[in-house]
This record gives sequence, structure tokens and C-alpha cells, in this order.
Amino acid sequence: QITLKESGPTLVKPTQTLTLTCMFSGFSLDTRGVGVGWVRQPPGKALEWLALIYWDDDKRYSSSLKSRLTITKDTSKNQVVLSMANMDPMDTATYYCVHRRLELDAFENWGQGTMVTVSS
Amino acid sequence: DIQMTQSPSSLSASVGDSVTITCRASQTIAVYLNWYQQKPGKAPKLLIYATSSLQSGVPSRFSGSGSGTDFTLTINSLQPEDFATYYCQQTYSAWTFGQGTKVEVK
Repeated sequence: QITLKESGPTLVKPTQTLTLTCMFSGFSLDTRGVGVGWVRQPPGKALEWLALIYWDDDKRYSSSLKSRLTITKDTSKNQVVLSMANMDPMDTATYYCVHRRLELDAFENWGQGTMVTVSS
Repeated sequence: DIQMTQSPSSLSASVGDSVTITCRASQTIAVYLNWYQQKPGKAPKLLIYATSSLQSGVPSRFSGSGSGTDFTLTINSLQPEDFATYYCQQTYSAWTFGQGTKVEVK
């Protein structure tokens, strides 16, 4: 059974850097084709893909947020970390961790999400 | 970047109705199109991948079709548990979601 769980601060101040951790189980991030990524959703709004890291450390970023995002992985700890710099109140959202596998180019498994509020 | 536009943004329907949601891509995406269902306070759930393949465990009343730039999600015989918001997602170039379609009770 595949599970993903997000963790991190619930409140950050404007201009700060947000760091979120995704801990996963049920799969390995050194298996060919596997990727772990992040999707966010502002309250009452649509889903927005942010970043994804592949088993071979290839990294993909949303073009609109690329300058602010960094995604890394620690395969031995089954963790993926997303950092987002220069946070703004518009970044207030629920942040989801997602799993992708080679055979199915879709986000087949999702974490429960973690709500992050940006406010001074 | 590829933009995804869903229509309608919301619709009202009754149990037993058939509903169709449309998703249009800003450029061709072949069949690289997925559909998700999201209920309030929950993470999205994958329904259909690669335009028309039903994810394991998803009822057969859900179906998808299309290619190129135009795609549809159809729900036949709407059930009470189907009232939710539906999102399309292209995977042709990175990943982009549509703005969502809320299916509400009439």
C-alpha cells in the first residue's frame, strides 16, 4: 500500500522560505520511472502543479514558479523536500505530495495535504 | 505552457442523470489527458488516465474520450457520491490542471 504524508509549518511570514517534507512508503524512489511531486490548491481554487523529482534525480518545475522552487530527495529516508522562497499571502494553500509511476503518467497516489497560511 | 480550459465551471444535475464535462487544451496533447475527482476537504482521486483508461476500482459509469485538443468526461447515471469537483490534467508537457467543474445537486 502506497502512502504519502506531508509535513511542515502551518504558518509562515511573507518573504520567508517554506520547507515541506513528503514522507512516503510502499514504493522506492530509486525505481525506474517513479516520481514524487507537489501540487497546491488555494482555498476554493483549482489545483496547480509545482514540481516533481524523478528516480534519476531529474527535476521538473512549474515555469511560473521555477525561480522560487527547489525539490530534493533522500531515497534512503523515503523523503522528498520542497522549498519555496519568498512566500507571499497568495501562496496560502493546501500543499499535496503526489506519486507518479512509469506505467501511468498520472498522479495515482496523493497525500492528505497540508494547509499553509502566509501571513504576518 | 499548455493551458487547460474546462466547461462548464459548474453544473446542476439529479441522481440518474448523465453529465458531460469538456476539457480543451491550448495545443495538441495527443491522448495525454487524465481526470480527477475531488470531494470537499479531500485529496483528488484519479478516475481516468490516458484519455479513456479507467483507474482500478473506478465505476464503469465514468468514461472518457477525445484526442488532440478536445476531451470529455461522461458520467452515466449519476450517483449521490458523484457530486464533486472534477479536474482534467494534461501530461504531454509537464503537468497542467484545468480550473475544475463542480457537479452540484439540482
